Amino acid sequence: LAKTTQPISMDSYEGQEVNITCSHNNIATNDYITWYQQFPSQGPRFIIQGYKTKVTNEVASLFIPADRKSSTLSLPRVSLSDTAVYYCLVGDPAYSGAGSYQLTFGKGTKLSVIP
Amino acid sequence: SQTIHQWPATLVQPVGSPLSLECTVEGTSNPNLYWYRQAAGRGLQLLFYSVGIGQISSEVPQNLSASRPQDRQFILSSKKLLLSDSGFYLCAWSLWEYNEQFFGPGTRLTVL
Repeated sequence: LAKTTQPISMDSYEGQEVNITCSHNNIATNDYITWYQQFPSQGPRFIIQGYKTKVTNEVASLFIPADRKSSTLSLPRVSLSDTAVYYCLVGDPAYSGAGSYQLTFGKGTKLSVIP
Repeated sequence: SQTIHQWPATLVQPVGSPLSLECTVEGTSNPNLYWYRQAAGRGLQLLFYSVGIGQISSEVPQNLSASRPQDRQFILSSKKLLLSDSGFYLCAWSLWEYNEQFFGPGTRLTVL
């Protein structure tokens, strides 16, 4: 089971690029890295997922170094609406057996965007 | 398209009372289903997950239980609620071959 470590909180001004790093030193070979965003009183929402190198979609980029022991979520030009908690998860998406298929959200990183 | 429903949206219950929260998914078949709890100021804690009808795995042993009587129905129950059971309960689903989970609107439970 890969355990993740993220900063508890981050502040950023509107229009800046925000990078949130997640450490997962004991990530397994088959594990993918997934990031979620959660607004207050709502369920988390999938942002991006990757296995290695770089993944980009319309809302974010995910950078994963060769050793895969960390990953960085990059949010370009944040706005006030990006204020939320961001979770980094690792897990094997293909494993459906009982007992070890786990997704650990942890406490996430609370991003506050300042006007 | 797929949708996930949870009810009730909010619930206030006395200590020692029973609990039943329901979650249903539409638009997909044989999903993985999950129950999470988020206590005030804390992260999401995975409580139960299910890969099929009648198949329940517990992540945290406590006074809660889960059941999956139908393919797209997931129920969270308790015989006697504790104060520590207060929190925001979220149901989620995913397809087995993908890691992306889709969350419901949640149930805010307050135990007094």
